[in-house]
Amino acid sequence: GENVEQHPSTLSVQEGDSAVIKCTYSDSASNYFPWYKQELGKRPQLIIDIRSNVGEKKDQRIAVTLNKTAKHFSLHITETQPEDSAVYFCAATITSGGYQKVTFGTGTKLQVIP
Amino acid sequence: DTEVTQTPKHLVMGMTNKKSLKCEQHMGHRAMYWYKQKAKKPPELMFVYSYEKLSINESVPSRFSPECPNSSLLNLHLHALQPEDSALYLCASSQVLTGTHRAYEQYFGPGTRLTVT
Repeated sequence: GENVEQHPSTLSVQEGDSAVIKCTYSDSASNYFPWYKQELGKRPQLIIDIRSNVGEKKDQRIAVTLNKTAKHFSLHITETQPEDSAVYFCAATITSGGYQKVTFGTGTKLQVIP
Repeated sequence: DTEVTQTPKHLVMGMTNKKSLKCEQHMGHRAMYWYKQKAKKPPELMFVYSYEKLSINESVPSRFSPECPNSSLLNLHLHALQPEDSALYLCASSQVLTGTHRAYEQYFGPGTRLTVT
């Protein structure tokens, strides 16, 4: 099955600095890579996603890059703000016969220090 | 309506109880999912339903019994649970397009916080 590794497990940055989270996946059949932000006690919320036929995607302060050959993908947050503090999960998705199977990374706890 | 709802929000049950978790969506999604999330861990897939048929059971113990009575509803029946089953149980749904490998965003419900005493 798919295996997703995520680093670092914790990340502290000063407000205004950038944060980078990296993930690797194992199954070349994965074709969709969402990133979720989860605040304490709340549901995971999709913040950005990228498909396997795209190398980079940006949405305001958030960008994601994908290297299919190396099976790496990364999340970049610029100009971090205290409200960016949360746990971030990367995920790799395999679609099959009318459903999709999502494997999550182990999570990164991001702390933005004011 | 882009919301997945789950009831109850919190549930405390004894090891001999029988209870059910309920999930509902009205987005016309034909794939629905149950995840289990322990504290400080990622969500772990338990079950997947596609067009109201069970497509994936990730070797979940039989004390968890899923049910999809129609395309909008997903239930998880609980019986004889153990304290280690205490967790946040998340429901999700997504579009599907059979015959293709296009993946779609999963929409998560707020979860049911389950405590087994």
